[in-house]
Amino acid sequence: EIVLTQSPGTLSLSPGERATLSCRASQSVSSSYLAWYQQKPGQAPRLLIYAASSRATGIPDRFSGSGSGTDFTLTISRLEPEDFAVYYCQQYGSSPLFTFGPGTKVDI
Amino acid sequence: EVQLLESGGGLVQPGGSLRLSCAASGFTFSSYAMSWVRQAPGKGLEWVSAISGSGGSTYYADSVKGRFTISRDNSMYLRMNSLRAEDTAVYFCAKGGASYSYGLHFDHWGQGTLVTVSS
Repeated sequence: EIVLTQSPGTLSLSPGERATLSCRASQSVSSSYLAWYQQKPGQAPRLLIYAASSRATGIPDRFSGSGSGTDFTLTISRLEPEDFAVYYCQQYGSSPLFTFGPGTKVDI
Repeated sequence: EVQLLESGGGLVQPGGSLRLSCAASGFTFSSYAMSWVRQAPGKGLEWVSAISGSGGSTYYADSVKGRFTISRDNSMYLRMNSLRAEDTAVYFCAKGGASYSYGLHFDHWGQGTLVTVSS
C-alpha cells in the first residue's frame, strides 16, 4: 500500500507570496498517476494538476506541479486571496486503487 | 458542461442501510470510470469505490469491502449496508479524468451528500 505524506500541515503566507507544497510517497509513483486538488470549506475538491505537471482545464498558470518517483511538489507562484484553501495530493495505484494525502492547509 | 448530482444521504441507525445515487450529464457516461469518495467531518478525503465505464469491473477500499456495493446504469449508485458510525461523511461522486483504467484522477466532482450514522 502506498502512503502519501504531505508537508507542511499548515502553510501561513500572505497574498503575493510563493507557496511550495510537498507530497512524498512511501514507494515510487508513476508521474502519470499523481494529481493535486484544491478544496475550499463547504465545497467539493477541484482538480488542479494531473500527471504530476499537467494543469487541468481552466486552472491559472500560477499553479504548477513537478516531481517524480517519491517526491512531488505543487507550487503557487503568487498567492491570490482565492488560493487560501486545503490542497491534497492523490495517487492511482494497485491497492488501494486511489490514495489521498492528508492535505496541506494554506492560510493567511 | 459536466454535472454530477448526488442524492440519497440522510440519518441512519448503526447497522442500517442506505442507497446513494449520482446523476451525471454533459459527457458520454459509459466512456468513463466513476468513483465514490468520502470525507468525514473535519477530515481528509478517502476513496471508497470505483466502477469501470461498462460497469463490469468494480473496486473497493478495504474499509467498506463486503458492506458497500457500487453499480451503474444511466446513473451511479452506492448501496451501503451494515453502516457504522465511522461511515459518517459527505459522500462525493467523482468522474474519472482519463478514459482508461479507472480514470487515474478525478476531473469533476459532485457537491456531495451527507450520510450520518447515529442512534
